[in-house]
Amino acid sequence: ETGVTQTPRHLVMGMTNKKSLKCEQHLGHNAMYWYKQSAKKPLELMFVYNFKEQTENNSVPSRFSPECPNSSHLFLHLHTLQPEDSALYLCASSQDFPLDYEQYFGPGTRLTVT
Amino acid sequence: QKEVEQNSGPLSVPEGAIASLNCTYSDRGSQSFFWYRQYSGKSPELIMFIYSNGDKEDGRFTAQLNKASQYVSLLIRDSQPSDSATYLCAVNLWAGNQFYFGTGTSLTVIP
Repeated sequence: ETGVTQTPRHLVMGMTNKKSLKCEQHLGHNAMYWYKQSAKKPLELMFVYNFKEQTENNSVPSRFSPECPNSSHLFLHLHTLQPEDSALYLCASSQDFPLDYEQYFGPGTRLTVT
Repeated sequence: QKEVEQNSGPLSVPEGAIASLNCTYSDRGSQSFFWYRQYSGKSPELIMFIYSNGDKEDGRFTAQLNKASQYVSLLIRDSQPSDSATYLCAVNLWAGNQFYFGTGTSLTVIP
C-alpha cells in the first residue's frame, strides 16, 4: 500500500451519467494529481493541485471536473463522457510541488464508458 | 513529436543478466528524470531519479543521463524474475511544470 487510496476501483457508466472518482492520501503530502492511463499510450497528467489550489490543467475536456476540498482529498467529477474516455484513472500525491518529488500512486479506477 | 520515447519491447533477458532500458526526450529544457516500475495490474512506483549528467547507482539499478544527447537509461544488474514489469521513463520540464511519461518498456526476466 502506498498510502493513497482510490474509490471505486471499477466503474461502468453510460454517456449520460454523472459520477465521481475519489482519492485520499494519508501521507501528509501537499500536492495531488490526476492521471489518465490508456492502453498503448503514455500516462497523461490531467490536473495538478498544490495546497488545494489547481495549478495545472493540461487541456482536459470540461466533461472532467476536478475538486480538491483539502490537501488529503481529491475528486474527479465525470459527466457526459465519451467511449474514448474509458481508461485507468490514477491519483498520485507528492510531498510538494513542483514535480521533482517522488509521486505516490493510488491503485487506480478502471473506468468503462458505454 | 513525442516528448518522451521508449522502445515498447518486449525486452527479454535471462536471469542474472544485465537489462538495459533506454529513453530519449525531445525538450532540452528537461531538468529531472525518473524511472518508475509498473507491475501488471498495479500502479507505478518510483525506482530512481536523476538530475545531473553521469551515473547514479542504487543497489542493482544504475541510471545514466546524457543531456547533450538527450537520453536517459536504466541498467538493472543481476536481473531477477521479480524485475519483470513495465518500466516508465518520465521527464520534468521546470518551465511550465510539465511532466511527461513515455509509453514504457516491457521487461521479462527469464528464469
